Amino acid sequence: SQTIHQWPATLVQPVGSPLSLECTVEGTSNPNLYWYRQAAGRGLQLLFYSVGIGQISSEVPQNLSASRPQDRQFILSSKKLLLSDSGFYLCACPGGGSDNSPLHFGNGTRLTVT
Amino acid sequence: GQNIDQPTEMTATEGAIVQINCTYQTSGFNGLFWYQQHAGEAPTFLSYNVLDGLEEKGRFSSFLSRSKGYSYLLLKELQMKDSASYLCAAMDSNYQLIWGAGTKLIIKP
Repeated sequence: SQTIHQWPATLVQPVGSPLSLECTVEGTSNPNLYWYRQAAGRGLQLLFYSVGIGQISSEVPQNLSASRPQDRQFILSSKKLLLSDSGFYLCACPGGGSDNSPLHFGNGTRLTVT
Repeated sequence: GQNIDQPTEMTATEGAIVQINCTYQTSGFNGLFWYQQHAGEAPTFLSYNVLDGLEEKGRFSSFLSRSKGYSYLLLKELQMKDSASYLCAAMDSNYQLIWGAGTKLIIKP
């Protein structure tokens, strides 16, 4: 089974500063990868997903971007953070090879924008 | 549009049984997932239903009625460690997950 690594675990950043969150996956090749955000007390919001290197689909227009420079690496970035970017950021990939495999999540990054 | 509804919060007593309901509307359907999320942690997978009926996994069971767009998660012999949020998610025809906001379950001794 795969292992999803996310870092950092927590982050406090001022408004207007840049952001880079990294996710790497072990134990599988060419996985679909997802970035989700969860605001306090809210459900999961899909931000980006990727089916392969350099292939990114954006679900919500915003000041965030994503990149997949390597098969098992998925990066979430921003040039200038907003207060509304605060939340719990989760990287995920399917636990199996079929389209309806359940998602497994990394431990997440809790971002506070001040 | 696509939508998931589940109660915001429920309270139950240790040792009792609780049922968390979820209704969904999706464009096509490829299954219904339940996840458990403890405070400050990532969600973990609990169950998957794609056919009508009840799936049992130890103290947890999940039910699906596709014709009614309805599912429930049943937790038996509640323990304090079951205090968590329970997320319902339906998969549409494009294999995209539509997530509910989660039900916060509070267990009292």
